[in-house]
Amino acid sequence: DTGVSQNPRHKITKRGQNVTFRCDPISEHNRLYWYRQTLGQGPEFLTYFQNEAQLEKSRLLSDRFSAERPKGSFSTLEIQRTEQGDSAMYLCASSSTGWGTEAFFGQGTRLTVV
Amino acid sequence: AQKVTQAQTEISVVEKEDVTLDCVYETRDTTYYLFWYKQPPSGELVFLIRRNSFDEQNEISGRYSWNFQKSTSSFNFTITASQVVDSAVYFCALSEAGSSASKIIFGSGTRLSIRP
Repeated sequence: DTGVSQNPRHKITKRGQNVTFRCDPISEHNRLYWYRQTLGQGPEFLTYFQNEAQLEKSRLLSDRFSAERPKGSFSTLEIQRTEQGDSAMYLCASSSTGWGTEAFFGQGTRLTVV
Repeated sequence: AQKVTQAQTEISVVEKEDVTLDCVYETRDTTYYLFWYKQPPSGELVFLIRRNSFDEQNEISGRYSWNFQKSTSSFNFTITASQVVDSAVYFCALSEAGSSASKIIFGSGTRLSIRP
């Protein structure tokens, strides 16, 4: 399967714990995006990488959130001291270089904070 | 600022009916792309179409067609002879040329249910 892969698919954690999600993009794509989607809403942009460089972060990304893409391949999204409001679907997408290229999405990681 | 509005939160039609999903966008850029994505119950967003701001030509792909009108800032999506498999949430989205990330901004989606 050469699509975008996300792990884990589901994560249940207790409030205050740290969680880390992984995204493996389509191999030839150098752009990688993280989005968050809550029930009944469209995906909200969180952050973006061009190769290993994190070029933009949304105001939605509080200090408790950090994302990395160390070698320009896979990416991780860590949430520290999780809160119930962090419960959502976290989506990863990748695209090739070039403005307006379509992004291909993974199946997401559903986070539930209890 | 960029914004995408999908005023129809839910639509339900009987199979074989035609259905149109509305999308209105706001942008200050003269150069932008518009997209439609489908999100079936499995959850994965599936790309359907991309249209740039300089190309107002409507497009038809099988039972799907898209009507882009810059004058009304709309990019509507029509499914002809709908089928049960078309049931999903559909998102309209916008990417501005001025956005350094080429990030895609999504509307809130329209949940489409096709009844047998």
